[in-house]
Amino acid sequence: GEDVEQSLFLSVREGDSSVINCTYTDSSSTYLYWYKQEPGAGLQLLTYIFSNMDMKQDQRLTVLLNKKDKHLSLRIADTQTGDSAIYFCAVIPPNRSNDYKLSFGAGTTVTVRA
Amino acid sequence: DAGVTQSPTHLIKTRGQQVTLRCSPKSGHDTVSWYQQALGQGPQFIFQYYEEEERQRGNFPDRFSGHQFPNYSSELNVNALLLGDSALYLCASSTGDHWGYTFGSGTRLTVV
Repeated sequence: GEDVEQSLFLSVREGDSSVINCTYTDSSSTYLYWYKQEPGAGLQLLTYIFSNMDMKQDQRLTVLLNKKDKHLSLRIADTQTGDSAIYFCAVIPPNRSNDYKLSFGAGTTVTVRA
Repeated sequence: DAGVTQSPTHLIKTRGQQVTLRCSPKSGHDTVSWYQQALGQGPQFIFQYYEEEERQRGNFPDRFSGHQFPNYSSELNVNALLLGDSALYLCASSTGDHWGYTFGSGTRLTVV
């Protein structure tokens, strides 16, 4: 099965940029996602990238994909206290497979300090 | 437009009991997946239902079973509860393809 790894903790000063990293093992993964989970809540889809893209920008969020190294990153510009949460990287196999499950990393806990 | 609705939000059960969790998918979605999220971990795939059939199953024992109804809503049943079944159970709906999953807020199950 797919293995997805993330660093567990990140502390960042308010106003700085945050970069959360993720590596995965299946090079055929075609859909790659970033989810946010606040305490006691479910998962909120933040952004996604298709494997035929290298970068995607959405307001304060920038996703970079290095397919060769199977590395995905999420950059949050001008990090705010409301960005404190757990961030999950998730990947899914291609449409042609019969595998529909999202494989998640263990999550990166981001703490924003004043 | 309502998103994914799960009930109940919290539940406390005793070891050996059985539990049923419910999920109503987002409007327009016909596929429901269930995930288990233990404390401090990422969600783990339990199974997915499409056209009222279990389409794919993760590495969970037969104590975990499910059902999908004609209106696309779904239930997750867990029999013979163990302490290790304590977790947040998340339901995700989609349109049956590999993309566009929407998650509910989850049901927090505590087994004592």
